[in-house]
Amino acid sequence: KQEVTQIPAALSVPEGENLVLNCSFTDSAIYNLQWFRQDPGKGLTSLLLIQSSQREQTSGRLNASLDKSSGRSTLYIAASQPGDSATYLCAVRLYNFNKFYFGSGTKLNVKP
Amino acid sequence: DGGITQSPKYLFRKEGQNVTLSCEQNLNHDAMYWYRQDPGQGLRLIYYSQIVNDFQKGDIAEGYSVSREKKESFPLTVTSAQKNPTAFYLCASIPDAKNTEAFFGQGTRLTVV
Repeated sequence: KQEVTQIPAALSVPEGENLVLNCSFTDSAIYNLQWFRQDPGKGLTSLLLIQSSQREQTSGRLNASLDKSSGRSTLYIAASQPGDSATYLCAVRLYNFNKFYFGSGTKLNVKP
Repeated sequence: DGGITQSPKYLFRKEGQNVTLSCEQNLNHDAMYWYRQDPGQGLRLIYYSQIVNDFQKGDIAEGYSVSREKKESFPLTVTSAQKNPTAFYLCASIPDAKNTEAFFGQGTRLTVV
């Protein structure tokens, strides 16, 4: 069974800092990996989707990388803002099954 | 606007009752999913459906049931057999193509009273 781990579980940084969130997975046979943002009591908003053949994806201040062979992905947030405060989740879509497996998330707090 | 609609936003269940959570999408997506989220934990898969009139159990299907009679609808029933149903429930959908992103609804918070 696919295990997805996110480190750290929580992170508090001052505004303006660049930061990295980590996601690791045990089974490298994936279709893709998706990063989501979740605000308290809300659903998930898709941030970036990286296909298994890609190494990275960028959207604005966000950059996600994927190293499938080592089972790792990172989400880089540049020049963090208080509005970035949320929980960030990664999910992997398995190659052989049409299912997603999620990490438990990193709760980010960006202080003004 | 296209999207996934979950209702109700909040739901209260008495002990021994069955309750049904609604999930409707107008994205014309083939596959739909139900996840459960507990505080401090990731999402766990309850059921998923890749096509109308077909669905498969996820990792925590016990105490839950689903149906997929229409492409746009995938309701989840939390039965009295589910001993700890208090949680946040999320519905998702994806197109049939493999390398496409998943879309989520806004969730239903179920509380046992």
